[in-house]
Amino acid sequence: AQKITQTQPGMFVQEKEAVTLDCTYDTSDPSYGLFWYKQPSSGEMIFLIYQGSYDQQNATEGRYSLNFQKARKSANLVISASQLGDSAMYFCAMRGGAGRRALTFGSGTRLQVQP
Amino acid sequence: GAGVSQSPSNKVTEKGKDVELRCDPISGHTALYWYRQSLGQGLEFLIYFQGNSAPDKSGLPSDRFSAERTGGSVSTLTIQRTQQEDSAVYLCASSSRQSNEKLFFGSGTQLSVL
Repeated sequence: AQKITQTQPGMFVQEKEAVTLDCTYDTSDPSYGLFWYKQPSSGEMIFLIYQGSYDQQNATEGRYSLNFQKARKSANLVISASQLGDSAMYFCAMRGGAGRRALTFGSGTRLQVQP
Repeated sequence: GAGVSQSPSNKVTEKGKDVELRCDPISGHTALYWYRQSLGQGLEFLIYFQGNSAPDKSGLPSDRFSAERTGGSVSTLTIQRTQQEDSAVYLCASSSRQSNEKLFFGSGTQLSVL
C-alpha cells in the first residue's frame, strides 16, 4: 500500500525567507512519481513540481525545489524567497508504478507567509 | 476544452435524494480521477479511469457511489440516497502519460446535503 505523510499541519514563514515543507512516503513500487500541489483559499489545485523515482537530479521549478532523499523516502518541498501569495495549503502526492496509478495525497500543510 | 470542466459548481440537495456530478476532462487525456475533499481535509481518492481499462473503484466509500465514463471522455459521478456526511467538494482531474501523469484539476463541485 502507498502512504504519504505530512507531519506539519501548519507552518509560518517570514516574507522573503525560505521554507521547507516535509513529506515522507512509503511504497513497495520500484518506480513511482512524487508531486506537490498548492491549494489557495480559492480552492483550485495548482501543480507545482514533479520528481520521478529514477531522476538523478532534484527537481526545480522557479522558486520551488524538491529535496528528494530516496533512501530516507522523503520528498520535501523548498520554497525560496517566500511571497505573501504563497500562503496556501500544500499537498504532497505520490503515484505508484505497476500498482495503483491514481495519486495518493498527504493530509497537507497550511503555510502562512507573514509580512 | 482548455481545462477540466465540472458542473454544477454548487449543489444543494436534501438527504435521501440522488445527485449527479459531471466532469469534462481535457481533450486527449486518457486518465480521469475523482477525489473528495471535506472541509479542511486532504483529498480522498474515489475512482480512477484509464482508457478502456476497468476502472479502479477501490476508493468508493459505499455502494451508494458509482461513476461512469462514456466514450473515454465525460464522466458522471452519481451518489444515491445522499447522506449529510457526503457533503464535500468533489474534485475531478485528468492526466496524460506524456506529462508524467501530472493531474490537472477542475474547480470542483461543492455538494451540500441538508
